[in-house]
Amino acid sequence: LVLTQSPATLSLSPGERATVSCRASQMVDTLLTWYQQKPGQAPRLLIYDASTRATGIPARFSGSGSGTDFTLTISSLEPEDFAFYYCQHRGSFGPGTKVDF
Amino acid sequence: EVQLVESGGGLVQPGGSLRLSCAASGFTFSRHWMTWVRQAPGKGLERVATIKEDGGETYYVDSVKGRFTISRDNAKNSLHLQMNSLRAEDTAVYYCARVRGGSWYGDMDVWGRGTTVTVS
Repeated sequence: LVLTQSPATLSLSPGERATVSCRASQMVDTLLTWYQQKPGQAPRLLIYDASTRATGIPARFSGSGSGTDFTLTISSLEPEDFAFYYCQHRGSFGPGTKVDF
Repeated sequence: EVQLVESGGGLVQPGGSLRLSCAASGFTFSRHWMTWVRQAPGKGLERVATIKEDGGETYYVDSVKGRFTISRDNAKNSLHLQMNSLRAEDTAVYYCARVRGGSWYGDMDVWGRGTTVTVS
């Protein structure tokens, strides 16, 4: 299974809406996870089962999709949200999307 | 506090060996699958090896099969990765992570800070 993400880089400003896409090469039902990683830090679990926020994750983060197409949305970017975002299914990770400004 | 702390990274020559360790605390270690994920410099994430709660099942990415061995000591709340025949392409930060759910392919809800392995 191959996961592709788009765009590779998303250039936005604080307060704007961010939308990151992840596409699977085969059907994965809703078994899709999103992580956030800041430079020099470990990844952090954001969303699992496509749309369930992990403990402590702010409501501005949301996930949607099923089958092969998934979306991570940040409704209004905060300064601390500028980071890399990765999708994952089982043993595979997407290549990542950098959200910067 | 739930915590994972890796150790054992360093500089090693090609063909050499290293043993990584991960100390777990703040949760019942023996009830969770555990995994090692690596990240080469400037690259994405790669799940390297995963082990069942009781150590009875292990899974490896193809690129490390036959060279790396994942193990655990539930009495000591520790996870290990024995890395042999190291190659330049094994250079990466290695993260220890807890698997959420009861299967090898679950996502990872707790991560350590990582330990750096350089093969050169």
